[in-house]
Amino acid sequence: GNSVTQMEGPVTLSEEAFLTINCTYTATGYPSLFWYVQYPGEGLQLLLKATKADDKGSNKGFEATYRKETTSFHLEKGSVQVSDSAVYFCALRRGGTSYGKLTFGQGTILTVHP
Amino acid sequence: GAGVSQSPSNKVTEKGKDVELRCDPISGHTALYWYRQRLGQGLEFLIYFQGNSAPDKSGLPSDRFSAERTGESVSTLTIQRTQQEDSAVYLCASTSPGARAPEAFFGQGTRLTVV
Repeated sequence: GNSVTQMEGPVTLSEEAFLTINCTYTATGYPSLFWYVQYPGEGLQLLLKATKADDKGSNKGFEATYRKETTSFHLEKGSVQVSDSAVYFCALRRGGTSYGKLTFGQGTILTVHP
Repeated sequence: GAGVSQSPSNKVTEKGKDVELRCDPISGHTALYWYRQRLGQGLEFLIYFQGNSAPDKSGLPSDRFSAERTGESVSTLTIQRTQQEDSAVYLCASTSPGARAPEAFFGQGTRLTVV
């Protein structure tokens, strides 16, 4: 079945550091890939997405590129801020249709210090 | 409504009691999901409703768990004879039809504590 694996956390960085959170997936066909973020005390919200190979999703300075050859969708940001402290979830939905179960990774806790 | 609404926001119950959790999706959203998030862990899929199709119940952990949805509106998740390991945040999400990769909108969750 479909599955998503994220790098182990927690991740602790200083402000303005470079961030990478690894995400790899296993799926049949051509899934759509997502990053969701959960800020402290808030609900999950979509951060970015990509629907086909080589697509790059971007939002709020974060980027992730859909790499089919390595089945990866790593999240990156060039300069993190304290306000980026949150839990980040990689997710996929099976391709070929707009409907289908969303499968999430285990989440990565990011803490950014001033 | 403006967003996905879940109630109650917090529920403390005694072991062995039944609980009902409610989710009001965004109006017009045909798909609805339930997930469970245990403390410090990821999102565990429970059940998925899509329009009038048969729900995907593959994530329900035992027969103590069940969920219903009437049409494209409210859903209730019922846990019978609750156990301490059921303690978690239960999240509901809904998505709109038509888009290739629709965004899932999440509610704030119901924090269930079984004592």
